[in-house]
Amino acid sequence: EVQLVQSGAEVKKPGESLKISCKGSGYSFTSYWIGWVRQMPGKGLEWMGIIYPGDSDTRYSPSFQGQVTISADKSISTAYLQWSSLKASDTAMYYCARQSSWYELDYWGQGTLVTVSS
Amino acid sequence: EIVLTQSPGTLSLSPGERATLSCRASQSVSSSYLAWYQQKPGQAPRLLIYGASSRATGIPDRFSGSGSGTDFTLTISRLEPEDFAVYYCQQYGSSSFTFGPGTKVDIK
Repeated sequence: EVQLVQSGAEVKKPGESLKISCKGSGYSFTSYWIGWVRQMPGKGLEWMGIIYPGDSDTRYSPSFQGQVTISADKSISTAYLQWSSLKASDTAMYYCARQSSWYELDYWGQGTLVTVSS
Repeated sequence: EIVLTQSPGTLSLSPGERATLSCRASQSVSSSYLAWYQQKPGQAPRLLIYGASSRATGIPDRFSGSGSGTDFTLTISRLEPEDFAVYYCQQYGSSSFTFGPGTKVDIK
């Protein structure tokens, strides 16, 4: 069974750093792109970027380029999303999802809620 | 960047009725790369349709997708109580994904 399991909710202060994770199982982790999607409170879905764990090729949405870093450790089938200096506006639910053959996101993690507040 | 517009913003219908949701793109989208998702409160999105018209694994046949170019449609033939949710379209092109703003289907 394909599963993406994300790390737990985080509460951080502005300016702090953060790295959240997404662990894949039940499939060949290195053979599928993993994407990250932001959902701000009460809002829609925003694509942030995507990584191919096989060779760490990474693409970013222009809206998120330079704001976050996407990485992966294929040895432990885990993708990451990280911030070096959080802002209150980073408060959101973050989902990872597997990209399949027709560029659809066929399996999703349960989401990680990030709250940034002083 | 291709911008997706969904209409209506909210669709108020009764169980058993037919729902027709629209997704319009600012420029032509490859049909192969147009998908639809359902999201219920407190849950992650779920893939319904990919390639504009192919149902994902386990999706009931009351859900269907159609369209090409810049105009795509998700149809729910007869609404079940569990279908009241928000629906998003998504396209892939030029190494970038975009989502539409969503259509909320609520109970009339």
